[in-house]
Amino acid sequence: AQSVAQPEDQVNVAEGNPLTVKCTYSVSGNPYLFWYVQYPNRGLQFLLKYITGDNLVKGSYGFEAEFNKSQTSFHLKKPSALVSDSALYFCAVRARHRSFNKFYFGSGTKLNVKP
Amino acid sequence: DAMVIQNPRYQVTQFGKPVTLSCSQTLNHNVMYWYQQKSSQAPKLLFHYYDKDFNNEADTPDNFQSRRPNTSFCFLDIRSPGLGDAAMYLCATSRETGTPIQYFGAGTRLSVL
Repeated sequence: AQSVAQPEDQVNVAEGNPLTVKCTYSVSGNPYLFWYVQYPNRGLQFLLKYITGDNLVKGSYGFEAEFNKSQTSFHLKKPSALVSDSALYFCAVRARHRSFNKFYFGSGTKLNVKP
Repeated sequence: DAMVIQNPRYQVTQFGKPVTLSCSQTLNHNVMYWYQQKSSQAPKLLFHYYDKDFNNEADTPDNFQSRRPNTSFCFLDIRSPGLGDAAMYLCATSRETGTPIQYFGAGTRLSVL
């Protein structure tokens, strides 16, 4: 069965420090992996994706993510956190489900960046 | 610039009173999705359209229906809203082929009194 796990409900980091939000996945076949961010009372906003190629992918707002096939992980990172990065982050994988492609979401990680 | 537009942003309805939420897109994507999201949880897929083909999730209650009259528009109908249906409803679109990114609308927050 396809699944995505975000082991941390919440991550706290001080402004200016590096941040990591963890994601692991279980999917048959080659995974298409995504990170989305959600601000209060808003929809999900696409940050970055991994389809193929370089394991380190760069996305919006200075975020990047590292695909690790052996560890089935796709952790989100940023070298220097901003208070404005505080939001809810979702990892997702697109995988084949019956005759169509379906997106599976992790449970979300709330990122708190303190000044 | 908005590409997936949901109306209204906030909807208040009464217990048992039918309500319709709307979604439109300017991306010409062939797949449209409806998700329910409660209390900062993961979005839960209710159903999706692949072109005109409707695909219902097995655990989506019969109380939820959807219509897609054309490529650009999709509607979520809740026939008899219960208190448990209060949630954020998210519409999303994607291409089935090519770059597989889902684009989300801003959502409709539904309150049931």
